[in-house]
Amino acid sequence: AQSVAQPEDQVNVAEGNPLTVKCTYSVSGNPYLFWYVQYPNRGLQFLLKYITGDNLVKGSYGFEAEFNKSQTSFHLKKPSALVSDSALYFCAVREGQGGKLIFGQGTELSVKP
Amino acid sequence: DAGVTQSPTHLIKTRGQHVTLRCSPISGHKSVSWYQQVLGQGPQFIFQYYEKEERGRGNFPDRFSAHQFPNYSSELNVNALLLGDSALYLCASSLAWGLEKEKLFFGSGTQLSVL
Repeated sequence: AQSVAQPEDQVNVAEGNPLTVKCTYSVSGNPYLFWYVQYPNRGLQFLLKYITGDNLVKGSYGFEAEFNKSQTSFHLKKPSALVSDSALYFCAVREGQGGKLIFGQGTELSVKP
Repeated sequence: DAGVTQSPTHLIKTRGQHVTLRCSPISGHKSVSWYQQVLGQGPQFIFQYYEKEERGRGNFPDRFSAHQFPNYSSELNVNALLLGDSALYLCASSLAWGLEKEKLFFGSGTQLSVL
């Protein structure tokens, strides 16, 4: 079965500093990986996805993610954090032929001024 | 264009009652999925429908059922509510089913509280 793990419940970053939110995966076959962000009392917003191709994936709002097959990781990154980036971030892997996503438990990102 | 719309936004029920949650996908999208998000956890897959047929079911009891209508909107029904059913229920839509580059668009959810 496919799974993802987010080892950090919370990440604290100062505004302007780079941020990393970690995700590791366990899949059979080729991984289809996603990052979503959730703001308070809102649904999930798509940030980026890795299907095949370049290991560095660029997404919305200046975020990018690096796919590392040897380390089975798909960490989310941003060069310079904004206070408005504070939210709950979810890594997910697609399972099966359809759109079913398996989500990690989430990482709360807090960016302080 | 409207995104995925869900109704109601909030709902309070008591144990043993029945609830129906509604979802309208993005115009042109033919697949709808339902997820349950318990506080402090990631969303868990409940159902996926495509072209009015069930295409996937998660590990949820038979008290949970769903339906997709000819206009591609969907309803999630939960019978005999338990306290543990309290959660944010998210609906997601996508263009089709089985496309490699498919991504899900989520609604804002229905917050269900069971007392």
